[in-house]
Amino acid sequence: NAGVTQTPKFQVLKTGQSMTLQCAQDMNHEYMSWYRQDPGMGLRLIHYSVGAGITDQGEVPNGYNVSRSTTEDFPLRLLSAAPSQTSVYFCASSRIAGGGLYAEAFFGQGTRLTVV
Amino acid sequence: AQSVTQPDIHITVSEGASLELRCNYSYGATPYLFWYVQSPGQGLQLLLKYFSGDTLVQGIKGFEAEFKRSQSSFNLRKPSVHWSDAAEYFCAVGGDKLIFGTGTRLQVFP
Repeated sequence: NAGVTQTPKFQVLKTGQSMTLQCAQDMNHEYMSWYRQDPGMGLRLIHYSVGAGITDQGEVPNGYNVSRSTTEDFPLRLLSAAPSQTSVYFCASSRIAGGGLYAEAFFGQGTRLTVV
Repeated sequence: AQSVTQPDIHITVSEGASLELRCNYSYGATPYLFWYVQSPGQGLQLLLKYFSGDTLVQGIKGFEAEFKRSQSSFNLRKPSVHWSDAAEYFCAVGGDKLIFGTGTRLQVFP
């Protein structure tokens, strides 16, 4: 049982380049999300999805794009990288528990992205 | 709107002392509540969770948390801190999305 698999682990981009961070889970979780972690700011929600074909914006969605074509996969695309997107990115998945609320999140190992 | 507040950015305690990390949330109903820990350079590990029932929940590594509906709080406690507890701690709220607080960095002195 692999859980949440996130790749790559490290990435350096030049300003203006695009890239996709991959995220896959094998727990059949409905909910998947992307967070960025910056010092002193905790984990901020970028985008999330409650199922295949359904995505929504979180707290800091600008500059990022997502899609959810399958239950398992939830890639995050940086369309034109900027130095402000230098951060550590985490993908997470969780099941929807009673009352439509989200149960505990399972995290990928993180991607350390530097934009120069 | 759903939100989480961790008022303490940085806490320093001596090894063996007791610990309480504060967490307040805002949500229209009773949400699910979580505490995670992150060691430097590592991912996030779930310490404990509250869904319903007993308002005092036990977690791993000797941690516990108490849900107080009247105060919209879910504070994390440990009776005796070990040096290995030095890390960053995040409170999270599971409502219509999963939102994290800004974290509390715990430093432990010998």
